[in-house]
Amino acid sequence: AQTVTQSQPEMSVQEAETVTLSCTYDTSESDYYLFWYKQPPSRQMILVIRQEAYKQQNATENRFSVNFQKAAKSFSLKISDSQLGDAAMYFCAYRSPGNTGNQFYFGTGTSLTVIP
Amino acid sequence: AAGVIQSPRHLIKEKRETATLKCYPIPRHDTVYWYQQGPGQDPQFLISFYEKMQSDKGSIPDRFSAQQFSDYHSELNMSSLELGDSALYFCASSPRDILTFSGNTIYFGEGSWLTVV
Repeated sequence: AQTVTQSQPEMSVQEAETVTLSCTYDTSESDYYLFWYKQPPSRQMILVIRQEAYKQQNATENRFSVNFQKAAKSFSLKISDSQLGDAAMYFCAYRSPGNTGNQFYFGTGTSLTVIP
Repeated sequence: AAGVIQSPRHLIKEKRETATLKCYPIPRHDTVYWYQQGPGQDPQFLISFYEKMQSDKGSIPDRFSAQQFSDYHSELNMSSLELGDSALYFCASSPRDILTFSGNTIYFGEGSWLTVV
């Protein structure tokens, strides 16, 4: 089974600064999908950004971007110009191609604090 | 845009009681997933359904069962509730086309909080 590792249980960033959250994964598959989900105090799971493994170009969504290093099996999330509303738990997730739920693996999460 | 709808949002039950959670996927999403998230934990996959058939099974206790109906909504039935079942239960859905990026993204509902006392 694939594993997703988030080695930073907690991170903090000053408002307006940039922070990078780390994620590594283990897989033998060549085609897959990677995601970052955000879970604020409301506990809702919100999709932040996603990346297809066959695309070399890093995904970007406004202030959120990823650094996808396929050979290193690394998928970090960079948050620029951090805002108070970015404070949340961030989960990295891996998905194999296909349509069965057990192929969606979550990391253990990184709790991000934004300091005013 | 329509999202995944879960009900009830909050539920309090006593030990050994039964609870039923409902999930209405995003329109035209034919796959539904159930996840359980305990305090301070990442979501754990329970079970999924594709076109009304169970497609995969995770760490779902035997006391739990689920099904997907003809209108694609799903229900998670939990019996003989234990204190350890207290958690946030997420339903998620994904659309038909597994060949596209969207088809491989799952979208979560807001979750149903179950408290067992």
